[in-house]
Amino acid sequence: DSGVTQTPKHLITATGQRVTLRCSPRSGDLSVYWYQQSLDQGLQFLIQYYNGEERAKGNILERFSAQQFPDLHSELNLSSLELGDSALYFCATSPPTGELFFGEGSRLTVL
Amino acid sequence: AQSVTQPDIHITVSEGASLELRCNYSYGATPYLFWYVQSPGQGLQLLLKYFSGDTLVQGIKGFEAEFKRSQSSFNLRKPSVHWSDAAEYFCALYGTASKLTFGTGTRLQVTL
Repeated sequence: DSGVTQTPKHLITATGQRVTLRCSPRSGDLSVYWYQQSLDQGLQFLIQYYNGEERAKGNILERFSAQQFPDLHSELNLSSLELGDSALYFCATSPPTGELFFGEGSRLTVL
Repeated sequence: AQSVTQPDIHITVSEGASLELRCNYSYGATPYLFWYVQSPGQGLQLLLKYFSGDTLVQGIKGFEAEFKRSQSSFNLRKPSVHWSDAAEYFCALYGTASKLTFGTGTRLQVTL
């Protein structure tokens, strides 16, 4: 158990819909990262937040957005969903030394 | 720019045999390096990390990795593989602007 909690574990929705994925970090970790993992793209970095502020952006689509709240939990919002958005979405948090601790992931299926 | 290369997409070893997974990196300074393991349907678990100092680092589950600056490598090893080690292994580099870059992964299959 990494200490990082992600909900929901599984999500099935239709194209055009919007979903929100939630991440609760390990106690004391200020950084939150979001990754997308799909068979054809591998593990792709989406975005990082540090103590409520956006720190780095990766291959995140404009239809996707994220935020980190004062209690340090984070949400990833995915809108206008397409079939190609079906993937595992991981949240990870880290102490200042940089190693990431991953949640179990949220599996999104878009039909 | 920083990058991580895992040249082997898929490796098969027999249970009890030794294992070495290759990882090469590109980075202008001394990086922080990590190995992660992912079992099917699971998140990534940190196996070990290298920050500085001793170039041979020990991790969980009997894994070790050696940092070789001259070869820009950080290969993962295990002397005797168990069937439960079958998983996907990712090498990662923490470098510029707090960015963590992953390799494409190596899928390990263990035959009995």
